[in-house]
Amino acid sequence: LAKTTQPISMDSYEGQEVNITCSHNNIATNDYITWYQQFPSQGPRFIIQGYKTKVTNEVASLFIPADRKSSTLSLPRVSLSDTAVYYCLVGSRAKFYFGSGTKLNVKP
Amino acid sequence: DAGVTQSPTHLIKTRGQQVTLRCSPKSGHDTVSWYQQALGQGPQFIFQYYEEEERQRGNFPDRFSGHQFPNYSSELNVNALLLGDSALYLCASSSNRANYGYTFGSGTRLTVV
Repeated sequence: LAKTTQPISMDSYEGQEVNITCSHNNIATNDYITWYQQFPSQGPRFIIQGYKTKVTNEVASLFIPADRKSSTLSLPRVSLSDTAVYYCLVGSRAKFYFGSGTKLNVKP
Repeated sequence: DAGVTQSPTHLIKTRGQQVTLRCSPKSGHDTVSWYQQALGQGPQFIFQYYEEEERQRGNFPDRFSGHQFPNYSSELNVNALLLGDSALYLCASSSNRANYGYTFGSGTRLTVV
């Protein structure tokens, strides 16, 4: 299974766009890239999933380069409520492993 | 549409005891995975059940066992509890037919004293 590497923490201010990059150098052909958000003492919440190029939904965008060895989660205009830990996972057929995640701290 | 339901939400056990945690998957999902999350750490994969069998297992001792029932619900059992087993235990359900990732429950907070 592909190992993922993310920054341990990031700081941002309300209203800014935040980009969190994840490295997954040994991603397999069948693997998808999925991002989750987790608040303290809660289960992770699905944000977005992609296989290649760009995916956008109502809360985020996911950019995946052609070699798929990295991905970037983009959160537009963050608010204080976006303060959380963000996890990048790679896998397929429901076989996903978590890394250590990125703790995003949004300041007023 | 009910999501993933876990019970109980909180539990306190004494070292050496046994515990059973329960999980009901999201409607339409047939695969259940269990994770252990220690404070300040990412979730660690325990095992995954599909078609009532353990399909995958992480690096956890045999004290951790599970079961999946015909209705896809699942139990996690931990024997001979250690203080280090104190954690948030997360259940995640998914569909074996799709790559849409997991839906997680809110977890069971287990404290071993």
